[in-house]
This record gives sequence, structure tokens and C-alpha cells, in this order.
Amino acid sequence: EIVMTQSPATLSVSPGERATLSCRASQSVSRNLAWYQQKPGQAPRLLIYGASTRATGIPARFSGSGSGTEFTLTISSLQSEDFAVYYCQQYNNWPPGLPFGPGTKVDI
Amino acid sequence: EVQVVESGGGLVQPGGSLRLSCAASGFTLRGYSMNWVRQAPGKGLEWVSYISTSSSAIYYADSVKGRFTISRDNAKNSLYLQMNSLRDDDTAVYYCARAIWDSSGYYSDYWGQGTLVTVSS
Repeated sequence: EIVMTQSPATLSVSPGERATLSCRASQSVSRNLAWYQQKPGQAPRLLIYGASTRATGIPARFSGSGSGTEFTLTISSLQSEDFAVYYCQQYNNWPPGLPFGPGTKVDI
Repeated sequence: EVQVVESGGGLVQPGGSLRLSCAASGFTLRGYSMNWVRQAPGKGLEWVSYISTSSSAIYYADSVKGRFTISRDNAKNSLYLQMNSLRDDDTAVYYCARAIWDSSGYYSDYWGQGTLVTVSS
């Protein structure tokens, strides 16, 4: 079973600053990793798939990188609407499961 | 516009049953695999179950295996989750999400707003 971890648990940044979020897999997942954003009271929203491909309508300030076991989500210049929880999910070892990381909360 | 809308949540006693539904619009359900994902209050996301387009492949998380049953009715553009023998730790918001194949597995591109299931006596 692949275990996903994310760091830090909470990231405090100011608007306009750069945010770097990390996701690690317990074994290689190639580039089969997605990132989701979730705001309070809302459903998750797909940001990135294939480790680095932005989903439809996602602003260019969001970028993903990495492969194997180490991945990064970068928000180049944080906007007020970007304060949320971010989850990574691997989909390389399918089936049987689609595990998510525990999330990183980005707050002010 | 692609939309998925969950319904059927509510308060149920431990050991009870509940059936969730997910209505799809803006796309043809028969062309997509689907996932259920849940989120306990204040916690992270947990994948629950997957169903392929023709229902020929179905998978469950170990935490719900033997108690939950996923199904779909493509003619009605609908997805279901039958939940039996409910436990306190099944309390969560349950999301229906469209699954997209990429290389080795599935990510979810569209999610509903979720339906809350509360298991409590």
C-alpha cells in the first residue's frame, strides 16, 4: 500500500508571496499524481494531474513538478482566493486504491 | 456545464442503512467511470469506491468492503452508493466524482457538493 505524506501541515504566507507545498509517496508513483484545492464548505477542485498538467481553467500561477516519490505544488503569487487546503493523490498503483495525502492548509 | 449532484444523506442510527444517489448532467454518464470519496468532519479526503462504465469493474476501500455497494444506472444518468451496517466512523460528507483515466489510474475532475451522512444514536 502506498502512503502519501504532505508537508508542511500548515503554511502561513502573505498575499503576493510564493507558496511551495510538498507531497511524498512511500514508493514511486511515476508522474501519476494529482493535486486538489478545497476551500471551507466546498467540494475539492482539481488543479493538476500528471504531476504537472494544469486542469481546465486553472490559473498559470499554479504549477506542479516532480516524479517518482517527490512532488511539489507551487503557487507563484498567492491571491486571497488561494487560501485553502491542498491535497495530493496518487493514481499509479491502481487498483485497488486511490490514496490522498493528509493535506496542507495554506493560511494567511 | 458538467455537474454532479449528490442526495440521500441524513441521520441514521449505528447498524442502519442509507442509499446515496448522484445525478449527472452536462455529460453522458455511460462514458465515464465514477468514484465516491468521503470526508469526515474536520478530516482529509478518503477514497471509498470506484465503478467502471459498464459496472464490470468495482473496487472498495478496505474500510467499507462488505458493507457498501456501488452501482449505476446509465439510462438514468445516475450513480448510487448503498451503505449498510453503518458505523459511527462512517459519518462524513460523501462526494460523487467523475473519474478520468490517465496512464495508470484515475483522477477525479468534477466533484459534486457532497451529501452529509451522520451515524449516531
